[in-house]
Amino acid sequence: NAGVTQTPKFQVLKTGQSMTLQCAQDMNHNSMYWYRQDPGMGLRLIYYSASEGTTDKGEVPNGYNVSRLNKREFSLRLESAAPSQTSVYFCASSEDLRRETQYFGPGTRLLVL
Amino acid sequence: GESVGLHLPTLSVQEGDNSIINCAYSNSASDYFIWYKQESGKGPQFIIDIRSNMDKRQGQRVTVLLNKTVKHLSLQIAATQPGDSAVYFCADLAGGSYIPTFGRGTSLIVHP
Repeated sequence: NAGVTQTPKFQVLKTGQSMTLQCAQDMNHNSMYWYRQDPGMGLRLIYYSASEGTTDKGEVPNGYNVSRLNKREFSLRLESAAPSQTSVYFCASSEDLRRETQYFGPGTRLLVL
Repeated sequence: GESVGLHLPTLSVQEGDNSIINCAYSNSASDYFIWYKQESGKGPQFIIDIRSNMDKRQGQRVTVLLNKTVKHLSLQIAATQPGDSAVYFCADLAGGSYIPTFGRGTSLIVHP
């Protein structure tokens, strides 16, 4: 099992450009999450999907959209990137939306100039 | 998890020593706590969890202690190894919540 995979690993964007971060899990998990991690700060939840077909806002959803394409895949889209969105983005999944262990991907490092 | 500023606290230990990493939480309604390990360039990895009806839980070389009175938990790593070098952070969940609040982390450096 690959666990949680993310693409790309690294991306540089100019302000105003758009891009989609991809995430897939092969653990047959129902719930998936997108976090951002800024230097010296804890993970902050952007959006989550409790199950296929549902998405909900987290702590910092502004400037982002998500799509739960199917049970395996959960993408994060930046429609018009801003320098404040420079961060490391982590996708995670868990068996269910309960007090379950979350399994994290390796992250996507995004630099917005 | 606690807010401690932009710079991560750092704990330096010698290989073989025991390490103790601390975390304070602010929500008195938190009843589930998790410790994660994050190695450089990688995603967080689950280490151990504890529920509020316990004050101690042991894993392999790790022990988590929970003091609900002062809203504090600690992670103890026995016989610390160079491979333990990473950022460790705690997360807590309040009753009824499914989304954890993550702390900023402590950087553990193990010197051979």
